[in-house]
Amino acid sequence: GESVGLHLPTLSVQEGDNSIINCAYSNSASDYFIWYKQESGKGPQFIIDIRSNMDKRQGQRVTVLLNKTVKHLSLQIAATQPGDSAVYFCAEGGGSNYKLTFGKGTLLTVNP
Amino acid sequence: DTAVSQTPKYLVTQMGNDKSIKCEQNLGHDTMYWYKQDSKKFLKIMFSYNNKELIINETVPNRFSPKSPDKAHLNLHINSLELGDSAVYFCASSQGHNNSPLHFGNGTRLTVT
Repeated sequence: GESVGLHLPTLSVQEGDNSIINCAYSNSASDYFIWYKQESGKGPQFIIDIRSNMDKRQGQRVTVLLNKTVKHLSLQIAATQPGDSAVYFCAEGGGSNYKLTFGKGTLLTVNP
Repeated sequence: DTAVSQTPKYLVTQMGNDKSIKCEQNLGHDTMYWYKQDSKKFLKIMFSYNNKELIINETVPNRFSPKSPDKAHLNLHINSLELGDSAVYFCASSQGHNNSPLHFGNGTRLTVT
């Protein structure tokens, strides 16, 4: 399958469970953070973003938590569904020369 | 309607050839990007254009030359292709170049043999 040899961090959950995907970012000057979902054969798809003046933001079934003290970002997915199976990326950005720097990615597998 | 569209979706070519990938966005955004995704799924920015001006040029061999004829288009031309250029190349766009989400195309898988 596509995951062979990728050596991505992986998370396997049962359908209906909550999922938590973690990310450590590197630049303490970053002030903008995004989570993306990438399904096989597609481009990254925006899920949710958060600015550094917040520590929590909620969307539909998703919550992003930001801990600037330890430079940690997490994505919580409630009631995970098979359609949530994908690679999830965190990205950090900010400053006048804006560019998004992506993290390594986590492969989420949802078992029916 | 596809918001960010890239062509071709697949590109197989031999070493030494020159090839181009085209990208168009219909979101009215003023900033466009090229990212490269390697076999380990790592995404790395290559270039960014804001209002047709180059604003980000990462450490990319000068065999890669982006061209932005207008705000809605950003093409990528690659000269003298090498085996290590094999990857998936993603075009993206955003409104502004500071703290706004990128919208990605579905990628061009380039295979150099």
